Amino acid sequence: AQSVTQPDIHITVSEGASLELRCNYSYGATPYLFWYVQSPGQGLQLLLKYFSGDTLVQGIKGFEAEFKRSQSSFNLRKPSVHWSDAAEYFCAVGGTGFQKLVFGTGTRLLVSP
Amino acid sequence: SQTIHQWPATLVQPVGSPLSLECTVEGTSNPNLYWYRQAAGRGLQLLFYSVGIGQISSEVPQNLSASRPQDRQFILSSKKLLLSDSGFYLCAWSVGGSYEQYFGPGTRLTVT
Repeated sequence: AQSVTQPDIHITVSEGASLELRCNYSYGATPYLFWYVQSPGQGLQLLLKYFSGDTLVQGIKGFEAEFKRSQSSFNLRKPSVHWSDAAEYFCAVGGTGFQKLVFGTGTRLLVSP
Repeated sequence: SQTIHQWPATLVQPVGSPLSLECTVEGTSNPNLYWYRQAAGRGLQLLFYSVGIGQISSEVPQNLSASRPQDRQFILSSKKLLLSDSGFYLCAWSVGGSYEQYFGPGTRLTVT
C-alpha cells in the first residue's frame, strides 16, 4: 500500500533563509506526487505536482520540488522564505486504483523575523 | 474556471443532532468528488469518494454517510453526531481519471 512520511512535524525558518521540507513515499511504481499548502482555517492549495519527465518541478509562490527515485523522496524547497509562507504543508502520493491520494501528516512551517 | 464551495463554514452542533454539509462545484462536468476529515494536528483522512451521481464509495466505516444527488453536488450527513465527529471537513474534486485534486474552503464542525 502507498504511504507518505513527513518526518518533520514543525520547522522554524528565519525570513529570507532557504527552506527544505522532507517527504518520503512508499510505492512500487512511478508515483504521482503532490505538495499542498494549507493556511490556518483554510482549504488546501496545490503548490506543485510530479507525474513524469523532468525530476525538478516548479510550482507556484516560488516553490520547487525534486523527485529522487533512488531515495523515494520528493522534497519541497524555496530559496528565500517570506513571512506569508508560514502554513502547513502536505505531501501526497497517488498511483493505485481509483484516483485517490494518500497524504502525509503535514509539516507546520513557522517563519521567524 | 472551476470553483468549489462548501457550507456552512462553521457549525456547532450538540451530540445526537443530525448533520448536513454541502459541497458544490462549478465550471466542470462529471467530476470525481471527495470528502475528507482533518482532525486537529493530523493529516487528511479520506471518508468518501464518488465518480458519478448516486455512486458513493466509503473508505472508513463510521457514523457518517454521503450522497451525490446531482452531478456537481456532494453532501455529507449524519443522523446522530458523536463527539468524535468534530473536525475540519474538506471537500475536493478532480477531473475524472486524474489524481490532481482541488479543495474547497472547508467546514469547521464542533460537536458539543
